[in-house]
Amino acid sequence: DQQVKQNSPSLSVQEGRISILNCDYTNSMFDYFLWYKKYPAEGPTFLISISSIKDKNEDGRFTVFLNKSAKHLSLHIVPSQPGDSAVYFCAASEKLRANNLFFGTGTRLTVIP
Amino acid sequence: DAGVIQSPRHEVTEMGQEVTLRCKPISGHDYLFWYRQTMMRGLELLIYFNNNVPIDDSGMPEDRFSAKMPNASFSTLKIQPSEPRDSAVYFCASRWTGFTDTQYFGPGTRLTVL
Repeated sequence: DQQVKQNSPSLSVQEGRISILNCDYTNSMFDYFLWYKKYPAEGPTFLISISSIKDKNEDGRFTVFLNKSAKHLSLHIVPSQPGDSAVYFCAASEKLRANNLFFGTGTRLTVIP
Repeated sequence: DAGVIQSPRHEVTEMGQEVTLRCKPISGHDYLFWYRQTMMRGLELLIYFNNNVPIDDSGMPEDRFSAKMPNASFSTLKIQPSEPRDSAVYFCASRWTGFTDTQYFGPGTRLTVL
């Protein structure tokens, strides 16, 4: 039933190292993907997105990779910083219905100083 | 800009009581969304409005849930009667047509139904 899955509830990484967060989806109609970051007691904030016509999108320390054949995307954070500690949500939509975002359950990232 | 405002931030109520959650979107935004977050299912879209008109309410779980948007600056999500399984964090988000994909979320309302 869950069309977007984040199978790792948590991840711990040392400061300065790479953080890799993974996301899988089942709906082949999805063609737009987003990552949101959420701090405690705050709402999610948009981080980065990628369209299915690309396989990589980079924004500073954040890069999202899309593997359409595997229905898999990942978020890389390099280098990781303590301020990156948050819950990261993967989301997907069919572009024509971009208002209907399907979210995963989130991965809690802890960056250890 | 104050961002999306939600009230109350926390709500504790007893089963069977009516609960009303409130949202003020960012001024000028023409879309408003209501989400529910649970550990098991993550963030789920409940309903969204465009120019105060409900467009898609297919995510509303039961008839006990209802949402209204009487004007461009205010929306409510009502649960009547509430049940313990409604306990979750409820988020409101808004966006402007000009930015196709970015939704701006409020801080959420944590609802506990005893």
